[in-house]
Amino acid sequence: EAGVAQSPRYKIIEKRQSVAFWCNPISGHATLYWYQQILGQGPKLLIQFQNNGVVDDSQLPKDRFSAERLKGVDSTLKIQPAKLEDSAVYLCASSLAPGGSRAEAFFGQGTRLTVV
Amino acid sequence: AQKVTQAQTEISVVEKEDVTLDCVYETRDTTYYLFWYKQPPSGELVFLIRRNSFDEQNEISGRYSWNFQKSTSSFNFTITASQVVDSAVYFCALSELVGYSTLTFGKGTMLLVSP
Repeated sequence: EAGVAQSPRYKIIEKRQSVAFWCNPISGHATLYWYQQILGQGPKLLIQFQNNGVVDDSQLPKDRFSAERLKGVDSTLKIQPAKLEDSAVYLCASSLAPGGSRAEAFFGQGTRLTVV
Repeated sequence: AQKVTQAQTEISVVEKEDVTLDCVYETRDTTYYLFWYKQPPSGELVFLIRRNSFDEQNEISGRYSWNFQKSTSSFNFTITASQVVDSAVYFCALSELVGYSTLTFGKGTMLLVSP
């Protein structure tokens, strides 16, 4: 079974530039998550989708971050404009369901973003 | 609010030593899941175990074992006879049992196993 695919693996941009990350979840997984992991910390949820609808984006900095999941499969996360503090690893994860025993999340390898 | 505390930032051991990684959690929910994930240098979070709050039985899987104690809100992870390949960052996490169960992670413990 193919895992969660993310691209690119690495990205370096200057502050105030824009950047986009792509995620392809495991086939059949209805729930998709974007997490931000700052160096030395645990992942923090940015946004959670159930199919193509947003169920939790309470920690997403909406003035600069946006995400979409068209057709309930692939997802993109965008930052515009980027700030130095956005330097982090952005992890995408998916699960069969949002809760209960099928909520086990499988993670991609992440995109390491460096803002200079 | 949910919170997970991993007080050990970094642990260094020599191969074949046993090592225990501590995890203490806080939640107002009476039903919840606890997880451990491993993050090797490649960056991907690898699922190790999930326990629900109803099941306090300890679990052993090969060289790994987990001790869940509701009375102390702890879910500790022990690696027996550690190996160099165990070097990674280990995260403890918590989620609700039902509903939209996002994971709340601790800050992680970096384990370095030297030959």
